[in-house]
Amino acid sequence: AQSVTQLGSHVSVSEGALVLLRCNYSSSVPPYLFWYVQYPNQGLQLLLKYTTGATLVKGINGFEAEFKKSETSFHLTKPSAHMSDAAEYFCAVSVGDMRFGAGTRLTVKP
Amino acid sequence: DAEITQSPRHKITETGRQVTLACHQTWNHNNMFWYRQDLGHGLRLIHYSYGVQDTNKGEVSDGYSVSRSNTEDLPLTLESAASSQTSVYFCASSESTGLGQGGETQYFGPGTRLLVL
Repeated sequence: AQSVTQLGSHVSVSEGALVLLRCNYSSSVPPYLFWYVQYPNQGLQLLLKYTTGATLVKGINGFEAEFKKSETSFHLTKPSAHMSDAAEYFCAVSVGDMRFGAGTRLTVKP
Repeated sequence: DAEITQSPRHKITETGRQVTLACHQTWNHNNMFWYRQDLGHGLRLIHYSYGVQDTNKGEVSDGYSVSRSNTEDLPLTLESAASSQTSVYFCASSESTGLGQGGETQYFGPGTRLLVL
């Protein structure tokens, strides 16, 4: 079965700094990969997803992720953090049903 | 605008009681899902449905049941609530596309916070 590992349950960056949230997946077949964001007391919202084609995927709010098959990774990046980026971020892999990572809480310091 | 709603948003119940959480979507999506969210575990799939009269067990289905009588609704029932079922429950839906059951974006409701005493 497919699975996801998110490295780091909590990441803290300064406003304007690079955001890097790490995600590694395990799948026996080519996967579909997702990043979702969850703001306090809300449901999850899609940031971006990889299905096929271009391996660099651009999402909302300036986020992007690169699918690297050789490294089984799908790390999420944003060049410059904003206070409004503070939230919980979930990586997910889907081959049939969807499996989520444990989540990474992003804190942005002023 | 299309949306997915859950009710109640907060629920306190006692051990052994039957509890039903409602999920209603106006996206007209065929696929619907129930997850629970617990600290350190992310979201785990409880049950899912790919259409009316179709239901399937997910990763953590013991103690839960669902039924799908129409496109819009997928209620989740806890047959006999246990303290281990204290959690936040999320409903989600997605359309069926040519990508097959896997590449579709899931749209999430706001969640139901359940406390079992």
